Amino acid sequence: DAGVIQSPRHEVTEMGQEVTLRCKPISGHNSLFWYRQTMMRGLELLIYFNNNVPIDDSGMPEDRFSAKMPNASFSTLKIQPSEPRDSAVYFCASREDSGETQYFGPGTRLLVL
Amino acid sequence: KNEVEQSPQNLTAQEGEFITINCSYSVGISALHWLQQHPGGGIVSLFMLSSGKKKHGRLIATINIQEKHSSLHITASHPRDSAVYICAVIAGFGNEKLTFGTGTRLTIIP
Repeated sequence: DAGVIQSPRHEVTEMGQEVTLRCKPISGHNSLFWYRQTMMRGLELLIYFNNNVPIDDSGMPEDRFSAKMPNASFSTLKIQPSEPRDSAVYFCASREDSGETQYFGPGTRLLVL
Repeated sequence: KNEVEQSPQNLTAQEGEFITINCSYSVGISALHWLQQHPGGGIVSLFMLSSGKKKHGRLIATINIQEKHSSLHITASHPRDSAVYICAVIAGFGNEKLTFGTGTRLTIIP
């Protein structure tokens, strides 16, 4: 298996632009997690899905952030409009219901100028 | 005060030394995770614990629920163990939300 796939790996954009981050979980995994990592705040859970349904989105910073999981093999995290304080590494992870381990993708490094 | 505290923040040791990283938390939890973040940024889940002890190779993780404390031990440390080790807890039951510590940066010198 290729593991969790994220794209793009790097994104540089200007303030105000829309940013879409993509994640393909490991096949057969029922839960998908979006995390953000910054120097100031460390790792934070933004949202997680189980069987494509959002379960907890309390970590989503504000209305500028939205996440979708239209099917079991794909999820997006969208920021519109982006701001410099959104600059961070965004990780996606997946886990199967019967398992303990979350498998992390390589992350998307986002820089908003 | 953070819900999850790790110590030390930074640790440098010689190859072969026994390493201990500590994690204390202030809330009731259903499980605790130890993660490893490599210098390149990749994150690997090492353990999930709800009680007792787990061992994988040279890594050992323990948890004391009553004392709200967990430790990660590395025996016969090696330079390739150099990474940031992150403790994370699932507070309460019935959800998957992880709350993270700030990490311990471990450097093993050959």
